[in-house]
Amino acid sequence: GAVVSQHPSWVICKSGTSVKIECRSLDFQATTMFWYRQFPKQSLMLMATSNEGSKATYEQGVEKDKFLINHASLTLSTLTVTSAHPEDSSFYICSASPSGSYEQYFGPGTRLTVT
Amino acid sequence: GENVEQHPSTLSVQEGDSAVIKCTYSDSASNYFPWYKQELGKRPQLIIDIRSNVGEKKDQRIAVTLNKTAKHFSLHITETQPEDSAVYFCAASLGGGNKLTFGTGTQLKVEL
Repeated sequence: GAVVSQHPSWVICKSGTSVKIECRSLDFQATTMFWYRQFPKQSLMLMATSNEGSKATYEQGVEKDKFLINHASLTLSTLTVTSAHPEDSSFYICSASPSGSYEQYFGPGTRLTVT
Repeated sequence: GENVEQHPSTLSVQEGDSAVIKCTYSDSASNYFPWYKQELGKRPQLIIDIRSNVGEKKDQRIAVTLNKTAKHFSLHITETQPEDSAVYFCAASLGGGNKLTFGTGTQLKVEL
């Protein structure tokens, strides 16, 4: 149980374009999903908290107009990186918490490369 | 802001030995402390967690201890095996909610 999928697993895009990443909880409902970014050999840095049916809460220093988050249902959250630049290249990982639970279960991550 | 410190950053042990990783946190409202294992290029996997009302929890070769007064918690792996080699992250909940702050990670290498 507690399976989270993420799509795509990797993507290469040109500078200035936008990329959408999907995060789905497959066997449970998730009121809350989280989006993290992880640079090589570093820890997970929380970007934003996504709550179903409401606006996402962004961490300090994360541009909400650049990283658009939509949590349209209890099983799906999307992150859109708008006007991507090479410095946005990173490993983006989502996690989902079953409703009423503290546990976070992670998706497999999306490796974004911006050329 | 609130942070979590993790030590050591790298740890090398012989197969069969024990490994201990320690974390300290600053938010006195933290009440949930999970540990994740991450293999290279893969997702973090929850291996054990503990709530603030418990001092110790064990699951086969893995155990976690929590000292709320001192604000530190530790991961103990006994009888280590090569497949335990990975990066381990501790985390602590913030402000009593379910948002997590992660430690900086420990690269564990179990040598034959």
